[in-house]
Amino acid sequence: LAKTTQPISMDSYEGQEVNITCSHNNIATNDYITWYQQFPSQGPRFIIQGYKTKVTNEVASLFIPADRKSSTLSLPRVSLSDTAVYYCLVVRGSARQLTFGSGTQLTVLP
Amino acid sequence: NAGVTQTPKFRILKIGQSMTLQCTQDMNHNYMYWYRQDPGMGLKLIYYSVGAGITDKGEVPNGYNVSRSTTEDFPLRLELAAPSQTSVYFCASSYEPRGGELFFGEGSRLTVL
Repeated sequence: LAKTTQPISMDSYEGQEVNITCSHNNIATNDYITWYQQFPSQGPRFIIQGYKTKVTNEVASLFIPADRKSSTLSLPRVSLSDTAVYYCLVVRGSARQLTFGSGTQLTVLP
Repeated sequence: NAGVTQTPKFRILKIGQSMTLQCTQDMNHNYMYWYRQDPGMGLKLIYYSVGAGITDKGEVPNGYNVSRSTTEDFPLRLELAAPSQTSVYFCASSYEPRGGELFFGEGSRLTVL
């Protein structure tokens, strides 16, 4: 299974762009990178998934460099409601297990 | 669609008791998962299933059992409950984890005293 490393915590202010980077040095050719968001007392919620370069949806962008050994989740203009734990997962193409790392606690301050 | 439904939402057990956490999904997903999350920690995979009749161990399977007799249901059995099993348990399902997303239930908070 691909191991991921993320910062334990980050602080930001409302209206700023937040970038959370995940390191996955042993990513394999068929692996996808997926990010989830979790609020207290709730199950994680899918945010975005990508394989290479850049993926954008209505809530976030995902940047993946050419070597794919890291990825960056970008949240534009965060608000207080974006305070949550963000998890980076590397989904192995040939495997069925989906394991979560420790995640990054993002705190958005007023 | 109700999505992923877990019951009960809360339960208190005494040491040595047994119980089953129920998980049902109505999305016809083949893949189902059980995770536990201790306070302030990430999720740990307990068991998973890739289809009816097929289950496999995750990171922390000791003290738990699962079965998958239908596509919809994936119950988690706790035998001889211990205080170390105090946690929040999440069930999730997916059509295809590699290219899709996991859908999570609301969680079941279990306390073992």
